[in-house]
Amino acid sequence: DTGVSQDPRHKITKRGQNVTFRCDPISEHNRLYWYRQTLGQGPEFLTYFQNEAQLEKSRLLSDRFSAERPKGSFSTLEIQRTEQGDSAMYLCASSFRQSETQYFGPGTRLLVL
Amino acid sequence: EDQVTQSPEALRLQEGESSSLNCSYTVSGLRGLFWYRQDPGKGPEFLFTLYSAGEEKEKERLKATLTKKESFLHITAPKPEDSATYLCAVQALEGAQKLVFGQGTRLTINP
Repeated sequence: DTGVSQDPRHKITKRGQNVTFRCDPISEHNRLYWYRQTLGQGPEFLTYFQNEAQLEKSRLLSDRFSAERPKGSFSTLEIQRTEQGDSAMYLCASSFRQSETQYFGPGTRLLVL
Repeated sequence: EDQVTQSPEALRLQEGESSSLNCSYTVSGLRGLFWYRQDPGKGPEFLFTLYSAGEEKEKERLKATLTKKESFLHITAPKPEDSATYLCAVQALEGAQKLVFGQGTRLTINP
């Protein structure tokens, strides 16, 4: 399967701990996006990379959140000093340069206790 | 600000009972309107992209249509395996390529 992959699929952590998620986009997709989805809601945009450049960040992305895409391939999303309100599904999507269609990964479900 | 509202929030149908889901949107110049299907605990699965009013796309029992203010997802003779949450999203012409999603419609098809 050559779709978007995310790791881990599930993460349980205690409040105040740091967590890091990884996303591997579809090969040759130069655009990568992170979204957050809470129960019963649609995904909300967090941030967007074109190759290795982070071009836009949502106001939802507080100072505790940081994302990287060091070589324009995989990306990581780190949350520092987690809070219970960070509990959500974190989704990664990728798209090809000439296409608007975003393909989503399976998500990482985070639970902060 | 770009906004998407979907209705109804939930819909229960009997197998074979056709219906439509609505997606109303406001956007400062539409690049594309997207429909996704999402099963519980999984990421959204791409269904359709619509670009301009009057456009229609079909896939199996699903047909998506677009006007200047709304999109409809018509489901004809649904089967239990069509049960899922259906998400609508818009992408604006300006700025980043982000998708703005509605809250989704939870569709349940009873056998």
